[in-house]
Amino acid sequence: DAGVTQSPTHLIKTRGQQVTLRCSPKSGHDTVSWYQQALGQGPQFIFQYYEEEERQRGNFPDRFSGHQFPNYSSELNVNALLLGDSALYLCASALGDTEAFFGQGTRLTVV
Amino acid sequence: AQRVTQPEKLLSVFKGAPVELKCNYSYSGSPELFWYVQYSRQRLQLLLRHISRESIKGFTADLNKGETSFHLKKPFAQEEDSAMYYCAQNRDDKIIFGKGTRLHILP
Repeated sequence: DAGVTQSPTHLIKTRGQQVTLRCSPKSGHDTVSWYQQALGQGPQFIFQYYEEEERQRGNFPDRFSGHQFPNYSSELNVNALLLGDSALYLCASALGDTEAFFGQGTRLTVV
Repeated sequence: AQRVTQPEKLLSVFKGAPVELKCNYSYSGSPELFWYVQYSRQRLQLLLRHISRESIKGFTADLNKGETSFHLKKPFAQEEDSAMYYCAQNRDDKIIFGKGTRLHILP
């Protein structure tokens, strides 16, 4: 089991563009959460998906959207990118209420 | 607003000395609290959760509801403890992280 995998590892986008980040959960996990980690900060909760539905959402604008597929993998989409969206984006998966496992993250740079 | 506070950005401790990483949380009745650790070039991983009351790698953390604190402690620091440590609180399935404390163990 490769654990939680995220792609791509690094990405550079221009202001105003749109980006899609991908996450494959650990085998057997059904819940996926996304976090944004700016430099020098702790991870900030964006949203959580369970059974293909957004179950919880943090304080992020509607430009941030997501999706969970029947195989439990997930995508994070960000529209109209701003310079301030530059960060490390982390995906975490869990089975219900059990320990969440994190991926290595996708480093997004907006120029 | 839900908040987790880690007052120290950096903590340097000599090998063999005691370690205490501070964490304060905002009150939420029955809090669910965690410590996560990130070693160099590795992914974020759970170190311990308060409900399990266990010691992991020699670390313990006691929940003090009166002081709304969940400090992480280890009696004797080891060089391999050098890492970034995040305190976190679960509220309504949202995990709120502190800004983290970098622990540097001096030889």
